Amino acid sequence: EADIYQTPRYLVIGTGKKITLECSQTMGHDKMYWYQQDPGMELHLIHYSYGVNSTEKGDLSSESTVSRIRTEHFPLTLESARPSHTSQYLCASSERSHTGELFFGEGSRLTVL
Amino acid sequence: ILNVEQSPQSLHVQEGDSTNFTCSFPSSNFYALHWYRWETAKSPEALFVMTLNGDEKKKGRISATLNTKEGYSYLYIKGSQPEDSATYLCALTNSNSGYALNFGKGTSLLVTP
Repeated sequence: EADIYQTPRYLVIGTGKKITLECSQTMGHDKMYWYQQDPGMELHLIHYSYGVNSTEKGDLSSESTVSRIRTEHFPLTLESARPSHTSQYLCASSERSHTGELFFGEGSRLTVL
Repeated sequence: ILNVEQSPQSLHVQEGDSTNFTCSFPSSNFYALHWYRWETAKSPEALFVMTLNGDEKKKGRISATLNTKEGYSYLYIKGSQPEDSATYLCALTNSNSGYALNFGKGTSLLVTP
């Protein structure tokens, strides 16, 4: 069983609030990712990291930011949430290999009112 | 963003039926093709990672094939069971994507007793 955890699982907040979605893994993986999924759509990569102090933006433009200060921790922050940010956010990690399978967290479902 | 197409979008079969899904993708600069199973309220879990043309992989009643020259992969489930009900995701990585995974929208399978 994968050891990657996301909190909160569900969050309903008002517009303008700052939120942080937490993601932690205990597998020692170098690579970590954030995917966003809107209903009926594909998972889209919004951020990734290949190691400590490394962060890159993914294919889908996002107003969120990420940090990677520790190998096991990859939080995602929205400084000022808007209804357009309502979505499901999935965190994943993999070994340092281009063919490494992804291990996913259970997701954080965000609703911004 | 790479165009990864999955068909059918959804499928409803009876217990014991065998079924298959298709994943189509651009064949140029291919690197790896992943299949994931995503059950409701759980994390997506890797089924297979395939890298070579002609690859065939099997896990229990589930198997997959890969044709990188024509850009498709098939996922087969033999003797479907209700516990196979899930969304099956296909994902592609190639050198153009910076080795990031690009997901299809998935095939939603429902197996009824």
